[in-house]
Amino acid sequence: AQSVTQLDSQVPVFEEAPVELRCNYSSSVSVYLFWYVQYPNQGLQLLLKYLSGSTLVKGINGFEAEFNKSQTSFHLRKPSVHISDTAEYFCAVRTPGDMGRRALTFGSGTRLQVQP
Amino acid sequence: GAVVSQHPSRVICKSGTSVKIECRSLDFQATTMFWYRQFPKKSLMLMATSNEGSKATYEQGVEKDKFLINHASLTLSTLTVTSAHPEDSSFYICSAGTRSQGYGYTFGSGTRLTVV
Repeated sequence: AQSVTQLDSQVPVFEEAPVELRCNYSSSVSVYLFWYVQYPNQGLQLLLKYLSGSTLVKGINGFEAEFNKSQTSFHLRKPSVHISDTAEYFCAVRTPGDMGRRALTFGSGTRLQVQP
Repeated sequence: GAVVSQHPSRVICKSGTSVKIECRSLDFQATTMFWYRQFPKKSLMLMATSNEGSKATYEQGVEKDKFLINHASLTLSTLTVTSAHPEDSSFYICSAGTRSQGYGYTFGSGTRLTVV
């Protein structure tokens, strides 16, 4: 089984400042890693994913994440945040294979609060 | 891109009644549908996984007679909360998986259920 730990429940940051949202995972096998964003009363939107290859993954809205196998981490970063980035961010994992039939395991979420 | 339409977005029902939530994949065939429940300021908890044409697989602790899931076609899955009680009030989200986009799943916009 896999598990995901998001170390920060809330991250306040000023507009145009950089931000890092931390995610660590635990798994006895290789995993696929994802970051999703959720705006209030909405579903989840995929920001980016790591499947294999380059450990630096670029996603939408200027976000990027780096897979670090030795530290079992997949931290999300953005060099300059906007007010509109205020939302809940979820890190998730799943095991490869059985395409489309394996559920994601989510972390507890990090609330990013961008202040003017 | 792939779109999952979920409705209703909000529903208020009386205690003891049943409520049906629908999720439709609009431009792809969803071989698998995942149903999640999200409590306020909490992560997504997987309730069940349904594969088209077969019975849903429920997670431990989820009452299958209370949360009826039907996945009768490749584009429609429904969750019926039977004999709803106030403790069933929550945010329910569906997510569709398919072999053609098996890496990152598409989420519905969620349903806010309030039982009074």
